[in-house]
Amino acid sequence: EAQVTQNPRYLITVTGKKLTVTCSQNMNHEYMSWYRQDPGLGLRQIYYSMNVEVTDKGDVPEGYKVSRKEKRNFPLILESPSPNQTSLYFCASRDIIGGFDNEQFFGPGTRLTVL
Amino acid sequence: AQTVTQSQPEMSVQEAETVTLSCTYDTSESDYYLFWYKQPPSRQMILVIRQEAYKQQNATENRFSVNFQKAAKSFSLKISDSQLGDAAMYFCAYRSYNTDKLIFGTGTRLQVFP
Repeated sequence: EAQVTQNPRYLITVTGKKLTVTCSQNMNHEYMSWYRQDPGLGLRQIYYSMNVEVTDKGDVPEGYKVSRKEKRNFPLILESPSPNQTSLYFCASRDIIGGFDNEQFFGPGTRLTVL
Repeated sequence: AQTVTQSQPEMSVQEAETVTLSCTYDTSESDYYLFWYKQPPSRQMILVIRQEAYKQQNATENRFSVNFQKAAKSFSLKISDSQLGDAAMYFCAYRSYNTDKLIFGTGTRLQVFP
């Protein structure tokens, strides 16, 4: 089954404790992105990657890091989480073959709470 | 920079009736894509319908259709024969032709009453 998986799905942590949210896709997609969703703000892009070892900042990259060492994986790293990073996080992937109109596949989301 | 505006935080509709959700956007680009996503209580993001800006014909997917007005920069979603399962948050989104970034509106919560 074609899918994007994220782990963990729920996480409660404390300020300053480094954490990683994993994202994996099994569709051999080139593009991958991370978004955060906050009430009243919709979804905003944090980082994106166009292929292995190619990453770039989205609209709200402060406090986050990413890496793309393998095509299928795109982990989101919070080196020193703060309460304002409490949010719902989505990973998404997309294929560029066939043109730019291919849809984005979203993961199930990760609910992060930073105390 | 592009922006997407959904001016209706909440809407409600009776089962089997029709409802229209509004979306406007701002861009100086001529080529782009527009999307409507549905987010049910499970929080999964589900693509409902998409429209390529170069296509004049409005997209349709079963009970879902759009009214795309490029000059007015308007992209409304019409849901016909509403069903209880249509109750969800709906997001309008924009994507430039040559990027991977989706720019989302703030969402419209749709309630469906029996």
